[in-house]
Amino acid sequence: KAGVTQTPRYLIKTRGQQVTLSCSPISGHRSVSWYQQTPGQGLQFLFEYFSETQRNKGNFPGRFSGRQFSNSRSEMNVSTLELGDSALYLCASSLIGGEGDTQYFGPGTRLTVL
Amino acid sequence: AQSVTQPDIHITVSEGASLELRCNYSYGATPYLFWYVQSPGQGLQLLLKYFSGDTLVQGIKGFEAEFKRSQSSFNLRKPSVHWSDAAEYFCAVEGNAGNMLTFGGGTRLMVKP
Repeated sequence: KAGVTQTPRYLIKTRGQQVTLSCSPISGHRSVSWYQQTPGQGLQFLFEYFSETQRNKGNFPGRFSGRQFSNSRSEMNVSTLELGDSALYLCASSLIGGEGDTQYFGPGTRLTVL
Repeated sequence: AQSVTQPDIHITVSEGASLELRCNYSYGATPYLFWYVQSPGQGLQLLLKYFSGDTLVQGIKGFEAEFKRSQSSFNLRKPSVHWSDAAEYFCAVEGNAGNMLTFGGGTRLMVKP
C-alpha cells in the first residue's frame, strides 16, 4: 500500500499571502490529522477530519483551516501568512481515528514564509 | 490536559552500546502511548505503541518500551545501537479527544562510531 503523500514538499511564500497544502491518506483510511512542527513549539496538533467533517481542533487561530473531500483527501489552508507560520506541516492518516487508532505520517510540507 | 516530557534533549551513545530514552506523561486515564522516530527531512515513523496488557512492548528495528504506571513513564530501549539509529525520537500520548496526539519535545540521538 502506498503511504501518506503530501504535496508540495517545499513551498516559499511571502507575508500576507495564503497557501494550500494537500494530503492524500493511505487507501482505506478515513481520518486525516494535521500537525505543525517548529523548532520552538515542537509538534502541535492543528485539526482532524473524518467523513468530510472537522472532528477535533487544536489551539490555532482561524487563519488555519482545512477540509476533507469525499475520497478522504484533505487540504489545509493558511491565510494572511506570518513569519511564524514557517514550519514543517505533517499530515497523518488513520483508519477511523478512534481510540488507539495508529496514525501514519507523511513526509511533510516545508513552508518558508519570507 | 495531557502532557509529555522528554527530559533529554540530546543523547550521544557509541555504536553497539545500549540506549534508553526517557518519557514521562501526564494523563488522567489509561493512556495510549506511542514512540515515533524522525530522520532529517522526513516524516514520523511509528516504532511501537502501548494500549493495554503486557507492559513491555516490542517494536520495529529492535526497539522496546516499558510502561510503568506508578512512574508515569514509557521509556524506550535498545540493547545495541546502530549508526543508522541516529535520528530524533518523539514520545506521544493520545488525548481523550480521540485522534489527537500530544508529543514530547523530542530527543535527538547521535551515534559515535
